[in-house]
Amino acid sequence: GDSVTQMEGPVTLSEEAFLTINCTYTATGYPSLFWYVQYPGEGLQLLLKATKADDKGSNKGFEATYRKETTSFHLEKGSVQVSDSAVYFCALPSGGYNKLIFGAGTRLAVHP
Amino acid sequence: EAQVTQNPRYLITVTGKKLTVTCSQNMNHEYMSWYRQDPGLGLRQIYYSMNVEVTDKGDVPEGYKVSRKEKRNFPLILESPSPNQTSLYFCASRGGVGERINEQFFGPGTRLTVL
Repeated sequence: GDSVTQMEGPVTLSEEAFLTINCTYTATGYPSLFWYVQYPGEGLQLLLKATKADDKGSNKGFEATYRKETTSFHLEKGSVQVSDSAVYFCALPSGGYNKLIFGAGTRLAVHP
Repeated sequence: EAQVTQNPRYLITVTGKKLTVTCSQNMNHEYMSWYRQDPGLGLRQIYYSMNVEVTDKGDVPEGYKVSRKEKRNFPLILESPSPNQTSLYFCASRGGVGERINEQFFGPGTRLTVL
């Protein structure tokens, strides 16, 4: 079945460091891919998405490129801030968008 | 403001005592669902609903019930809660048209502890 694998956290960085959170997927066909972010005490928010191969999703300085060849959708940011501290989830739709399959989540902690 | 609301946000209960977690959305979305979040497992879908009176099981439906009598509301019912249902629960909704067809909006979460 469909699945998403994320790198385990926590990831701890200093402010202005470069961030990469790895995500690989297994799916039938070429589904849309998503990154969701969960700030402390809040629900999930859609951070960015890509709907087809080679698409690059971007938002708030974060980017991720849909790589069909490597079945990956790694999240990157060139310079993280303390306010980026959160849990990040990679996800893909399944069952005709009736369900999202989530990775386990990666906790990011950014220190001044 | 477009949003999904859940109540209560925090709940501590005892084994076997029936409870209901409410979920409401103000975006006129047809599709709603419930997820539970557990450490190391991400979010897993419990139940979903395509429209009023149309519901179906997700990946982990055991021990839960839902109903969809109105478009805006989708309550989650635990008839006889057990400690393994201690978790963080999220309600979500999704519109059905346009390029945002696949964007789900999540509520703030309900942290449930069953003693």
